[in-house]
Amino acid sequence: TQLLEQSPQFLSIQEGENLTVYCNSSSVFSSLQWYRQEPGEGPVLLVTVVTGGEVKKLKRLTFQFGDARKDSSLHITAAQPGDTGLYLCAGAGWGKLQFGAGTQVVVTP
Amino acid sequence: DAGVIQSPRHEVTEMGQEVTLRCKPISGHNSLFWYRQTMMRGLELLIYFNNNVPIDDSGMPEDRFSAKMPNASFSTLKIQPSEPRDSAVYFCASSLDRSGNIQYFGAGTRLSVL
Repeated sequence: TQLLEQSPQFLSIQEGENLTVYCNSSSVFSSLQWYRQEPGEGPVLLVTVVTGGEVKKLKRLTFQFGDARKDSSLHITAAQPGDTGLYLCAGAGWGKLQFGAGTQVVVTP
Repeated sequence: DAGVIQSPRHEVTEMGQEVTLRCKPISGHNSLFWYRQTMMRGLELLIYFNNNVPIDDSGMPEDRFSAKMPNASFSTLKIQPSEPRDSAVYFCASSLDRSGNIQYFGAGTRLSVL
């Protein structure tokens, strides 16, 4: 059983469309992170959110941490083929990370 | 910096053989993590070290798995004997601080046990 539930599991969209990926948990984390993983590579950290209600923007990516620090969302505006990848959320606590199963995003030209 | 370096990148072995995976963390990082990734179970933490000392090995699946960190710049994950169900991608990650909140991953070792 995953401590962090991500949805949807798979998302296929056309270039230029928007998308949102969700990460939910019944546990409270000291911080939550989003990673992107491309085929044949390890996950790469995109952002860390720490404060409940926090919103961070990274170019076309917007990350939000829920007020209760149990959930988070990642929104991509005007998706591009380079955004294709496996998006993983991870909750931090007790010196380690708990990862969700990931959302596979495919952006076609 | 070269980042976290893992070797080999690919390993194909037969059931029953011993497998050793290697990791060189980023210089100066004092926490090291071993993960296993499969389609079915996603990314699972196997074990992590802080200042070369194993802190939590609760994710190690069986006694067939063992990990060592003899110094700050090298760690190994050994599977003996290997089984087909061990086939997965194994990642090593390192972190600068004890909290382990920000981790940098290697490119992984893809293990196939036939």
